[in-house]
Amino acid sequence: GENVEQHPSTLSVQEGDSAVIKCTYSDSASNYFPWYKQELGKRPQLIIDIRSNVGEKKDQRIAVTLNKTAKHFSLHITETQPEDSAVYFCAASSNFNKFYFGSGTKLNVKP
Amino acid sequence: DAGVIQSPRHEVTEMGQEVTLRCKPISGHNSLFWYRQTMMRGLELLIYFNNNVPIDDSGMPEDRFSAKMPNASFSTLKIQPSEPRDSAVYFCASSLALQATGGYTFGSGTRLTVV
Repeated sequence: GENVEQHPSTLSVQEGDSAVIKCTYSDSASNYFPWYKQELGKRPQLIIDIRSNVGEKKDQRIAVTLNKTAKHFSLHITETQPEDSAVYFCAASSNFNKFYFGSGTKLNVKP
Repeated sequence: DAGVIQSPRHEVTEMGQEVTLRCKPISGHNSLFWYRQTMMRGLELLIYFNNNVPIDDSGMPEDRFSAKMPNASFSTLKIQPSEPRDSAVYFCASSLALQATGGYTFGSGTRLTVV
C-alpha cells in the first residue's frame, strides 16, 4: 500500500515568516493530495488540495506544490499568523476515496 | 447542512464493556470512513463504506471491532469488549465518492477513554 512520510514533525516560526511542510509518497498511482489543518481539540479540516495533473495551486497565503517525478509535495504558508498554529496533515490517494495520511506537523507561530 | 454528526462526544467506560460510536454523514455523501487518532499512530483508517457497503476493513485492529452502515444516513462502530489500549479519538468522515476534489468532511470526533 501507499506510504506517506511528512516532515518536520514540529516547526516553529516567527509571525510574518513563511512555513514549509514536506511530504513524500511511495505509490506512483496516487493522484490526489489533500492537506488538512487540525486545531487543538478540533476536527481535521481540508485547507487545500491538488490533483496530479497540476504542479502548483494557490489560495491566498497557502500554496501546494507537487513533483510527481520525485513523488513529493509541499505546503507553503506565507506571512504566517498566530491563528495558523495547528497540526497539519498531508495525505495521498489513488482513488479520491481511501486516503493515506502523513504523521502530522505541529506548527507554532510565535507572535 | 449540519455536517458530519458524531455521538457521543466523550465516552468513558470500564475495560470489558461494550462501546458503540455513532455517525450521521452529510446528506448526499455516499462514502463513509471511520478513523482512529492517537499520538503514537496518528490518523488510522479503520474501515470505509461506499453506498452502505463495506469496501475495505483492513484497518480494523481485531475482531473486537465491528462497523455497520444499515442505511445512507447512519453508521456505528462497536468495540466489544473494550480495552484500555482502545482509548483514542475516533473520527467519522464522509465524502462524495470518486469526486475529483473536495476530500473528506470530518465529524467532531468521539474521545473514548477505557479505564
